[in-house]
Amino acid sequence: EADIYQTPRYLVIGTGKKITLECSQTMGHDKMYWYQQDPGMELHLIHYSYGVNSTEKGDLSSESTVSRIRTEHFPLTLESARPSHTSQYLCASSEGDRKAFFGQGTRLTVV
Amino acid sequence: GEDVEQSLFLSVREGDSSVINCTYTDSSSTYLYWYKQEPGAGLQLLTYIFSNMDMKQDQRLTVLLNKKDKHLSLRIADTQTGDSAIYFCAESSSPEFSGGYNKLIFGAGTRLAVHP
Repeated sequence: EADIYQTPRYLVIGTGKKITLECSQTMGHDKMYWYQQDPGMELHLIHYSYGVNSTEKGDLSSESTVSRIRTEHFPLTLESARPSHTSQYLCASSEGDRKAFFGQGTRLTVV
Repeated sequence: GEDVEQSLFLSVREGDSSVINCTYTDSSSTYLYWYKQEPGAGLQLLTYIFSNMDMKQDQRLTVLLNKKDKHLSLRIADTQTGDSAIYFCAESSSPEFSGGYNKLIFGAGTRLAVHP
């Protein structure tokens, strides 16, 4: 069973607020990822990390930022939330080129 | 660029077999995956196959890979109502072919509906 956790599961927040979505894994995986899943179900990679102090932008441009100060923790931050940020955000981790494990996701609604 | 395509919807009767198909474009793919997503939940890894294999069986699940045609399929035997979900096909490309990093490329997902 995968040990990767995301909090909160659901978040409704007003426009202009700063938010941080948390993601933690206890498997010691070096690679971590953030995906955004839109209502049409497609998953888009928005950020990834090779390890501590490594962060890269993914395929889909995103106004969010990420940090990787500890191996197990990969938070995603939106400085000023907008309704266009409403989506599901999925965090994943993997060991090298191996299978990726996903968290339960955070469903964000910006009103 | 890399692309993964799947049909969006499949409806089967309970007890029948389900076959979900996927095609991909990246010939350098090293691993190919099937994930299951139930409503409101994250993605659950169901099974995966290494690119040098043709077939992998795991209980009710059979994965077939045709590397020449870049075609991957997932067969679920004796489909149950609990199998109703969205199934995502994904590929992982080798770092040396993807700008120095490995990433998962997902299809849009196939919604499987199981009816009595």
